[in-house]
Amino acid sequence: GQQVMQIPQYQHVQEGEDFTTYCNSSTTLSNIQWYKQRPGGHPVFLIQLVKSGEVKKQKRLTFQFGEAKKNSSLHITATQTTDVGTYFCAGQNAGGTSYGKLTFGQGTILTVHP
Amino acid sequence: DAGITQSPRHKVTETGTPVTLRCHQTENHRYMYWYRQDPGHGLRLIHYSYGVKDTDKGEVSDGYSVSRSKTEDFLLTLESATSSQTSVYFCATAQFSVSNQPQHFGDGTRLSIL
Repeated sequence: GQQVMQIPQYQHVQEGEDFTTYCNSSTTLSNIQWYKQRPGGHPVFLIQLVKSGEVKKQKRLTFQFGEAKKNSSLHITATQTTDVGTYFCAGQNAGGTSYGKLTFGQGTILTVHP
Repeated sequence: DAGITQSPRHKVTETGTPVTLRCHQTENHRYMYWYRQDPGHGLRLIHYSYGVKDTDKGEVSDGYSVSRSKTEDFLLTLESATSSQTSVYFCATAQFSVSNQPQHFGDGTRLSIL
């Protein structure tokens, strides 16, 4: 079945440093979504990428979708302590009826030292 | 998030006992999902529903069953709980029948099986 690999598993940064997490799918995706989960909380939707090569920005966050629609990345510029949490990518398989099913990556746990 | 309530929020039980987790939503979302979250594995889909009485298996469905008799309720049952089913369980919903819809998560149920 579809697999979504996400690296790194952990990332420790000093406040103000940049952070990037990468996501790779074993199959072509119709779209990829990114979620953030604060410690003790539930995943919260951040953004969705649909088009090949798409780049979207949300303030200090930049999301990219690869040309082949099999990989994606999230980059945070100048991290802040409020960025702490686990970031998940989640891919939806291309083709067929998916019923909105997502395959989640393992997540990247980000800690930010003030 | 999207009026999703999971109950109970915490449960401790013994191996071999049946357990039912409830997910209740007030947004009239068609699609509902049950995930389990374990360290290093991200979120893994257990079962999902694409309408009343319409359910199907996810990637880790063994030992679990679900029912959806009303739009707003999606029940997850562990027929005979095992220690390997100790986990945090999240319910999620999505709005439309087309793909590309974000999922909205409940606050989770922390289940410990001794």
